Formats: sequence, C-alpha cells, structure tokens
Amino acid sequence: GDSVTQMEGPVTLSEEAFLTINCTYTATGYPSLFWYVQYPGEGLQLLLKATKADDKGSNKGFEATYRKETTSFHLEKGSVQVSDSAVYFCALGEGGYQKVTFGTGTKLQVIP
Amino acid sequence: GAVVSQHPSRVICKSGTSVKIECRSLDFQATTMFWYRQFPKQSLMLMATSNEGSKATYEQGVEKDKFLINHASLTLSTLTVTSAHPEDSSFYICSAPPQGKAEAFFGQGTRLTVV
Repeated sequence: GDSVTQMEGPVTLSEEAFLTINCTYTATGYPSLFWYVQYPGEGLQLLLKATKADDKGSNKGFEATYRKETTSFHLEKGSVQVSDSAVYFCALGEGGYQKVTFGTGTKLQVIP
Repeated sequence: GAVVSQHPSRVICKSGTSVKIECRSLDFQATTMFWYRQFPKQSLMLMATSNEGSKATYEQGVEKDKFLINHASLTLSTLTVTSAHPEDSSFYICSAPPQGKAEAFFGQGTRLTVV
C-alpha cells in the first residue's frame, strides 16, 4: 500500500538557517503530494502541494519538488524564522485530495 | 478559508467511560468527513470515513463498535470512543472537504488520555 517516510525530528535550527526536511513515498499510482503544517494548538494546514512529476509547490518561502525518479518530495526553506516552528507532515493523496496518507511528522524548532 | 472546528481539544477520562469528540464545518457543508488517529511518533492513520445520512466506512482493523461515528448533519460529525481503555489514548483529528472542492481542511485535533 501507499506509505510516506519522513525524517525524524525534532529539528532545531537557528533563525535564518537553511531548512531541509526529507520525504520519500511509495505509491501504486500517480499520487499528489503535500506538505501540511501544524502550529502549536492548531489544526493541520496545507502548506504546499504538487500534483505531477517535476511540479514545484511553494508557499511562504517553502518549496518542494515532486521527484518521480527518486520518489521524493523534500521540503526546503532558505531562511527559517522563529514563527516557522511547527510540526510538518509530508503526505500523499490518490484519487483526489480528500483522503491522504501521512508521514510521521517532523517537529521544527527555530531559535532566535 | 474554510474552517473546521474540533472539540474538545483535550480530554481525560476514566477507563470504561465513553468520550464524544465533535467535528464541525463552520462555514461550509461537508457530506463527507474523515477521522484520523495518531499514535506517538507514528503517522496519522485514517480510521473511518463519515458519510452524512448513512453509515460510516471503517478502515481495516478499526473496531466499529468501539469507535462510533455519527454524521447527522452536513456540518457535524461525531466520534464516540466507547468503553475507553488506556490503549485508546491518542491524538484524534478530523478533516472535511467543502462540497465541490478537492482539498480537505483539518480540525485542531483532540488529545485523549484514558486513565
């Protein structure tokens, strides 16, 4: 079945550091790929998405490229801020976006 | 954007009691809602699909009689954990896609602790 593997956290970075959170997936078809973010005390929010190979999703300075050849969707940001501290979930969806398969989540802590 | 409200955010209950968790779509109607569960350091796992006006569809391995789902209106789905035990302690989260849209929106989640 479908599965998503992402790097374990927590990840602690200084403000303005470069961020990479690795994510790889296994799927039988051609899934859409997502990154969700959960800020403390809040629900999951869609951060960015990519629906086909070589698509790049971007939002709020975060980027991820759908790499079919390596089955990866790594999340990157050039300069993190304290406000980026949250838990980040990589996910995939097949047959539409409604039902998704999640990774374990990676907690990011950015310190001033 | 669309808002999904989940209540309560945290609940502690005694073994053997039942706990109800509500999931509401505040500014849109949702004929379908999804319930997920997250074990510590594990993925969010889909438990069931809640369908307005009909029975929920449960994923393999999820006990229907243990996790009762009711989707009585287009804006409300409830998950009741019956006869709770410590192993039911977990993080439960719901999602709902607005009608006509592919993207689902998530509630804040409920941290259940059974003592």
